Amino acid sequence: DAKTTQPNSMESNEEEPVHLPCNHSTISGTDYIHWYRQLPSQGPEYVIHGLTSNVNNRMASLAIAEDRKSSTLILHRATLRDAAVYYCILRPLWAGNNRKLIWGLGTSLAVNP
Amino acid sequence: NAGVTQTPKFQVLKTGQSMTLQCAQDMNHNSMYWYRQDPGMGLRLIYYSASEGTTDKGEVPNGYNVSRLNKREFSLRLESAAPSQTSVYFCASSEPTDATNEKLFFGSGTQLSVL
Repeated sequence: DAKTTQPNSMESNEEEPVHLPCNHSTISGTDYIHWYRQLPSQGPEYVIHGLTSNVNNRMASLAIAEDRKSSTLILHRATLRDAAVYYCILRPLWAGNNRKLIWGLGTSLAVNP
Repeated sequence: NAGVTQTPKFQVLKTGQSMTLQCAQDMNHNSMYWYRQDPGMGLRLIYYSASEGTTDKGEVPNGYNVSRLNKREFSLRLESAAPSQTSVYFCASSEPTDATNEKLFFGSGTQLSVL
């Protein structure tokens, strides 16, 4: 199963953009790239996902490299509430459900006021 | 909507005691999951249920049993708790109607300590 590599921690200032990188050099053509985040003392929550094209939603944007070996989660204006651990995960299309997800340690994002 | 509800939020057990962690979802999802989260490790899947009436082992099933009571509820049982089972447990659900858009929804977790 394909795995991802993320920096252990990052820091940002409030109201500035944040770019969270993820490397997935062994990604297969049918793996979706999913991002979740986990706020302190809470369960993970879905952020965004994509396959090949860049994606936007109300929470964030996902930029996917042309070769799909890396991706970047973009928070356009960080708020204090965005301080969390961000997980980049590959979700095989063929899997009937999410049982094959491999959760790494993610990136711990600190947001300074 | 409540989403995924887990009870209890905190629990302390003595070695050898048994207990059941409860999980219920109100989103009419078919799939449900139990994960554990330990310091320095990612989430690890204990058991999952693809649909009502079916359960399957995940990555770390030893020492646990599960019951998919109905479509809403998925419980996790520790028959004889061990200190190695000290962890934060998360229940999750998903609706695999479309693999391209399937998302996991998590509960807020149960912090379990086994002394």
